[in-house]
Amino acid sequence: EVQLVESGGGLVQPGRSLRLSCTTSGFTFGDFAVSWVRRPPGKGLEWVGFIRNKAYGGTTEYAASVKGRFTISRDDSKSIAYLQMNSLETEDTAVYYCARDQRAEYWGQGTLVTVSS
Amino acid sequence: DIQMTQSPSSLSASVGDRVTITCRASQGIRNDLGWYQQKPGKAPKRLIYAASSLQRGVPSRFSGSGSGTEFTLTISSLQPEDFATYYCLQHNTYPYTFGQGTKLEIK
Repeated sequence: EVQLVESGGGLVQPGRSLRLSCTTSGFTFGDFAVSWVRRPPGKGLEWVGFIRNKAYGGTTEYAASVKGRFTISRDDSKSIAYLQMNSLETEDTAVYYCARDQRAEYWGQGTLVTVSS
Repeated sequence: DIQMTQSPSSLSASVGDRVTITCRASQGIRNDLGWYQQKPGKAPKRLIYAASSLQRGVPSRFSGSGSGTEFTLTISSLQPEDFATYYCLQHNTYPYTFGQGTKLEIK
C-alpha cells in the first residue's frame, strides 16, 4: 500500500525556519518525483513545488511565492522527501501535503504549519 | 502563469442529481489535467488523470472530459459520500496551478 506521512509541522515565529519531512512506503521511492502542496486556512489548494527523481536529475520547480525561501530535497536511501522553509511569513500558514509524482497521484494526510508571533 | 478558472465555486445538489464542474485554462494545456476531491480534515484524493482517465478504485459515476482549455468533471448520480470540495490541477506548465475549488453541498 502506498503511504506518505508528513511530519515536522508546528508553531513558528515569522522569519524563522522549519523543515517538513515526507516519509514514504509501499513503492520504489527513487522512481518517482515528490510534490508539495499547501492549503491555507479557509482557502483552496496551492501548488508549492516538486522534486524530480534522480533519473531526471533530481531537479526542482517552485511556485513564485516560495521560490528562494523554500527548498525541496530528497534522500532516496531513506525514502524521505523534505521541505525546508526559511524566512517564514504569516501567509505561509497552511496544512502542507506531500504527494507522489508531479501529478499528485497519492497524498499524505498533511501537517499544519502556523506562522505567528 | 496559467490561470485555472473553476466554476461554479459552490453548488447545492441532491442525491441522485447529475452535476458538472468546469475548469478553463488561460492557455492550452493539452490534456495535462487532474481532478481531486477533498473532504474536511482529509487528504485530497485524485479522481481523474490525463483529463479523462478514471483513477483506479474511483466509482464509474465520476468522469472527466476536455482538452486544450476547457475541461469538465461530471458526477452522473450524486451519492451522499460525494459531498466535498473538488479541484482541478494543471500540470502542463510551471508553476502548476489549481482551480479555486468547487464546494458541493447537499440541497
